[in-house]
Amino acid sequence: QVQLKESGPGLVQPSQTLSLTCTVSGFSLTSYHVHWVRQPPGKGLEWMGVMWSDGDTSYNSALKSRLSISRDTSKSQVFLKMSSLQTEDTATYYCARSGKAVMDAWGQGASVTVSS
Amino acid sequence: DTVLTQSPALAVSLGQRVTISCRASKSVSTYMHWYQQKSGQQPKLLIYSASNLESGVPSRFSGSGSGTDFTLTIDPVEADDIANYYCQQSNELPYTFGAGTKLELK
Repeated sequence: QVQLKESGPGLVQPSQTLSLTCTVSGFSLTSYHVHWVRQPPGKGLEWMGVMWSDGDTSYNSALKSRLSISRDTSKSQVFLKMSSLQTEDTATYYCARSGKAVMDAWGQGASVTVSS
Repeated sequence: DTVLTQSPALAVSLGQRVTISCRASKSVSTYMHWYQQKSGQQPKLLIYSASNLESGVPSRFSGSGSGTDFTLTIDPVEADDIANYYCQQSNELPYTFGAGTKLELK
């Protein structure tokens, strides 16, 4: 059974760095890609970036200067780090799997609030 | 970046046929996918590559289109289909989503 689960702090102070973990099961990180997508409250979906199955990464240029995605294949985990958080980064953060180019399985999401 | 344009909202009656449109700012071939998102839940894949029904998705959902114009059709609409619907392109990076269409009951 394919599962993805995001974890991390629910509250982050402005200017600090957000660290989130996506723990997957039911598939291998070396066979599937893992994307990060976020959704501000009441708004639409924004693609943030991807850890490709070969270990390479791609980022949304709007976030690239602040964003880093990495992984630990031995633990089946993908990590997101985003620096210099502001209130507009308040959102639910999802990780999602893709085999080719479509995100066919999603985590339940991690709600992150940026506030002092 | 490829911009995807969707109508913000559609009001429908149960049992009706509804089409949700998505227009891309440049051709995405058939690299267009549709997701359903209910309140408080993660998105769920419905249609991939423009017209392919994801496993387990009811056959009342269908998709069509290529290039820049795409549609998601629900026929007939059931109460469980009241949700937000998003198109997403994977023809080029960055992947982009439409702003979503909110399906509402009349």
